[in-house]
Amino acid sequence: AQSVTQPDIHITVSEGASLELRCNYSYGATPYLFWYVQSPGQGLQLLLKYFSGDTLVQGIKGFEAEFKRSQSSFNLRKPSVHWSDAAEYFCAVGAGNAGNMLTFGGGTRLMVKP
Amino acid sequence: DGGITQSPKYLFRKEGQNVTLSCEQNLNHDAMYWYRQDPGQGLRLIYYSQIVNDFQKGDIAEGYSVSREKKESFPLTVTSAQKNPTAFYLCASSRVGIGTEAFFGQGTRLTVV
Repeated sequence: AQSVTQPDIHITVSEGASLELRCNYSYGATPYLFWYVQSPGQGLQLLLKYFSGDTLVQGIKGFEAEFKRSQSSFNLRKPSVHWSDAAEYFCAVGAGNAGNMLTFGGGTRLMVKP
Repeated sequence: DGGITQSPKYLFRKEGQNVTLSCEQNLNHDAMYWYRQDPGQGLRLIYYSQIVNDFQKGDIAEGYSVSREKKESFPLTVTSAQKNPTAFYLCASSRVGIGTEAFFGQGTRLTVV
């Protein structure tokens, strides 16, 4: 069975600083990886996804993520954080079957200092 | 606008009562899912359905039930057998296919009083 670990429960960065959120996954086959963002009391919005091909994936809102098979990682990055990026971020891995049951990490709550 | 609608946004239930959460989608997706979210635990899969009149248990199905009589609708019933039902519930849908992304509703916060 697949699993996802997000080692950092909370992260605080200053506005304008760079950001990296860590994600490690465990899955026996080629993973399908996702990053979602959730504002308080809201649903989840897809930031980006990786299926195959280029290991550096661009997403919305200036985010990118890099798939590193050797490290079983899919870390999310942003070069300059804005106050509106404060939210909870979830990494997820999709099962490679006909459905798409996602297994989520525990989430990382991002706080942005002015 | 296409999307997923969950209702109500907030729900209060007395102990011992069953309650049903609504989820409707107009994205023409075949697959639908229910997740439960608790602080610090991410999202855990309760039930999923890939086709009308068929559904499967997820990781934490005990104390919950679902139906899928229409493609657009996937209601979740939280029964009195669910020992700790207070949580944030998220419904999602997707196309059926390898690696397809899931689209989420805005969630229902259930509180047992």
